[in-house]
Amino acid sequence: NAGVTQTPKFQVLKTGQSMTLQCAQDMNHEYMSWYRQDPGMGLRLIHYSVGAGITDQGEVPNGYNVSRSTTEDFPLRLLSAAPSQTSVYFCASSYRAVGSYEQYFGPGTRLTVT
Amino acid sequence: GENVEQHPSTLSVQEGDSAVIKCTYSDSASNYFPWYKQELGKGPQLIIDIRSNVGEKKDQRIAVTLNKTAKHFSLHITETQPEDSAVYFCAASIGVKMEYGNKLVFGAGTILRVKS
Repeated sequence: NAGVTQTPKFQVLKTGQSMTLQCAQDMNHEYMSWYRQDPGMGLRLIHYSVGAGITDQGEVPNGYNVSRSTTEDFPLRLLSAAPSQTSVYFCASSYRAVGSYEQYFGPGTRLTVT
Repeated sequence: GENVEQHPSTLSVQEGDSAVIKCTYSDSASNYFPWYKQELGKGPQLIIDIRSNVGEKKDQRIAVTLNKTAKHFSLHITETQPEDSAVYFCAASIGVKMEYGNKLVFGAGTILRVKS
């Protein structure tokens, strides 16, 4: 199993540009989520999904869109990038069953918005 | 909403000593408390977790304790080794239903340095 994969690893955007961060998992996990990691602030939940076709907002959803058309993929879209979105982005997945909460994280995407 | 505070932000210990990281949470409905370790350039990885119906859990050199009344939980690492150097995050679940143990609020992280 490849686990959770994320592309790209690094990205530089100009303010106002849009882009999609890709996330895929091959473990048949129902639950997928996106976090951003900023210095001194830990990991903050952006959006999450409990299954194909179902998404919901986390703590910091503004400026980001998600969709979940398949179990495997959960892309994160930045509609109009802003310098405040400079961060490291992690995708994670897990089973959605009582007692199986371990989240598996991808390697991250480091995004810089200038 | 849930708020998780983590202390200290940095911790330096001598190899072989013990390390303790503490977290407090605000939502009494939280019922799942994992700890993640993040090595440089990698995503976080689960090292141990505890549910609200358990007071303590141990896995080799790592242990977690939970005090539900005081709403705090701690990570204990004994006989620290250089490979324990990393960033450690605590987290607490959001929501009441057990199935929503997936949805987490994380602490700000602790940088642990083990000096050899």
